[in-house]
Amino acid sequence: AQSVAQPEDQVNVAEGNPLTVKCTYSVSGNPYLFWYVQYPNRGLQFLLKYITGDNLVKGSYGFEAEFNKSQTSFHLKKPSALVSDSALYFCAVRDRSGGGADGLTFGKGTHLIIQP
Amino acid sequence: GAVVSQHPSWVICKSGTSVKIECRSLDFQATTMFWYRQFPKQSLMLMATSNEGSKATYEQGVEKDKFLINHASLTLSTLTVTSAHPEDSSFYICSARSRLYEQYFGPGTRLTVT
Repeated sequence: AQSVAQPEDQVNVAEGNPLTVKCTYSVSGNPYLFWYVQYPNRGLQFLLKYITGDNLVKGSYGFEAEFNKSQTSFHLKKPSALVSDSALYFCAVRDRSGGGADGLTFGKGTHLIIQP
Repeated sequence: GAVVSQHPSWVICKSGTSVKIECRSLDFQATTMFWYRQFPKQSLMLMATSNEGSKATYEQGVEKDKFLINHASLTLSTLTVTSAHPEDSSFYICSARSRLYEQYFGPGTRLTVT
């Protein structure tokens, strides 16, 4: 079974400061890892993914994430936060060895609040 | 990026009636679509995997006779909530999987059962 942990319910960051949203995962094989953002009453928007290759993945809106296999982490980062980054962020995982077309397992989400 | 639409975006129905939600991939073909459910301030929970031309695969605890899924074409999957009850009120989100293993999500459908 696969699982995702987002240890922080909420992260508060001042505008212009760097931000980090934490994510750790557990899969039996090698993972596909994703970050999504959700605005109120909206569906999920894809930010970035790790499939293979470079451990540092760059995505939309200036976000990036670093895959760390030894720590089983995939933390989301941005060098300089914007107020418009305030939203709910989900980390998700899929076991690469699962075959078929298994759905994603999501973390519980982290509210990111950027203060002006 | 790829676009997935859902219809309706918001529906209110009376207890005991059935509601159909459509999920369409607008600019790509998706042999596999997924249906998720999200309760307020909670994460998404996978309900079922919808495969074009075959029966859906339901997650443990999801009643397949209550949540009917039909994946009639490579661009359309439907979720029908049968004999809806107030506890079925939720935000239902579909996604379509691309061949690059990305899932593109629809905007969601908010179902309220009165």
